[in-house]
Amino acid sequence: DAGITQSPRHKVTETGTPVTLRCHQTENHRYMYWYRQDPGHGLRLIHYSYGVKDTDKGEVSDGYSVSRSKTEDFLLTLESATSSQTSVYFCAISVGLAGSFLDEQFFGPGTRLTVL
Amino acid sequence: KNEVEQSPQNLTAQEGEFITINCSYSVGISALHWLQQHPGGGIVSLFMLSSGKKKHGRLIATINIQEKHSSLHITASHPRDSAVYICAVGRVQGAQKLVFGQGTRLTINP
Repeated sequence: DAGITQSPRHKVTETGTPVTLRCHQTENHRYMYWYRQDPGHGLRLIHYSYGVKDTDKGEVSDGYSVSRSKTEDFLLTLESATSSQTSVYFCAISVGLAGSFLDEQFFGPGTRLTVL
Repeated sequence: KNEVEQSPQNLTAQEGEFITINCSYSVGISALHWLQQHPGGGIVSLFMLSSGKKKHGRLIATINIQEKHSSLHITASHPRDSAVYICAVGRVQGAQKLVFGQGTRLTINP
């Protein structure tokens, strides 16, 4: 357990409404990620962050924005939710292993979002 | 073509059988990850390798960098091993932006 929580865990919303998902970590790791998981597509990177106020796009970033004003929190916002954004969203952190330049990723429990 | 391909997509076996799941990738990588996801559950990191072989309990992961191929083996499989196993590769050191395979759904029958 790398101390990652996500909120909410489940959300149902309507098309056109804004939605914000929160990822919180307790161990001040630098790198944080947002993924979505869909049948037939597997996990895909939406956005990631390499520090406070430092973020970059992943492969499926259209329709999503992120913010990181504190090390421990990484927010994912759907400005105007669409049905195609119905998915399970996972947050992850990257933890460097002692004695190695490689990082291992640890995932949060996921948020199931349904857009009607 | 996906950068990371797993096979098989689905695998059903009897308890006690030796299981092999394969992962092939087409890009240069810094590390390869094996992840496990139980139905309705979260994602757990099993292994991260950049070369050779790692073992944890009944799980063994190997990687051949030259052939761009990795295998995950489960010895003496048990119904609790039933899960989706996901291969992912990291192409960039540091940021570790992972690219994922589609996953292999493993079912172990008692």
